[in-house]
Amino acid sequence: DSGVTQTPKHLITATGQRVTLRCSPRSGDLSVYWYQQSLDQGLQFLIQYYNGEERAKGNILERFSAQQFPDLHSELNLSSLELGDSALYFCASSVGGPSSGNTIYFGEGSWLTVV
Amino acid sequence: GQSLEQPSEVTAVEGAIVQINCTYQTSGFYGLSWYQQHDGGAPTFLSYNALDGLEETGRFSSFLSRSDSYGYLLLQELQMKDSASYFCALTNNNDMRFGAGTRLTVKP
Repeated sequence: DSGVTQTPKHLITATGQRVTLRCSPRSGDLSVYWYQQSLDQGLQFLIQYYNGEERAKGNILERFSAQQFPDLHSELNLSSLELGDSALYFCASSVGGPSSGNTIYFGEGSWLTVV
Repeated sequence: GQSLEQPSEVTAVEGAIVQINCTYQTSGFYGLSWYQQHDGGAPTFLSYNALDGLEETGRFSSFLSRSDSYGYLLLQELQMKDSASYFCALTNNNDMRFGAGTRLTVKP
């Protein structure tokens, strides 16, 4: 158990719908990262927050948005869902940024299936 | 941008040694990390190289050569439980960018 909690674990929804994925980082971690992993694919970096501020953005679609709240939990909002958005979405956290050698700890992921 | 290349699959037998290579292209980075992911599971941290050279952690070692834009993960005394996907990742100031991963299959 990494200490990073993600909900829901599984989610099935229809095309065109909107979902919110939630992440609680490890206690004391200020950085939160979101990654997308499609079937048999690598981990695609979406976005990173540090203490409530967006610090880095990767290949995140305009239909997707995220935020980190004052209590440091984060939410990833996915809207106008398409079949291709079906994937495993990981949240990860670290004490600070990764540049100081801080280990990034991953949650168990949220499986999203769009039908 | 940044890019990383790893072999897609590697197969080895139990007890053997296997090396998973990672080549990268980037204008700058802080270090190279390695993560392990079992099917359906979360990636877990294995090793990090901030400097050139070899880092050893038990049966796993990782190497980085910045001049060659190259790194590798060395797994010794392979066990069946080592069958998993292994990802190298470039560590930047605020994010980590992962390669596509190498699926390691350990056979008896």
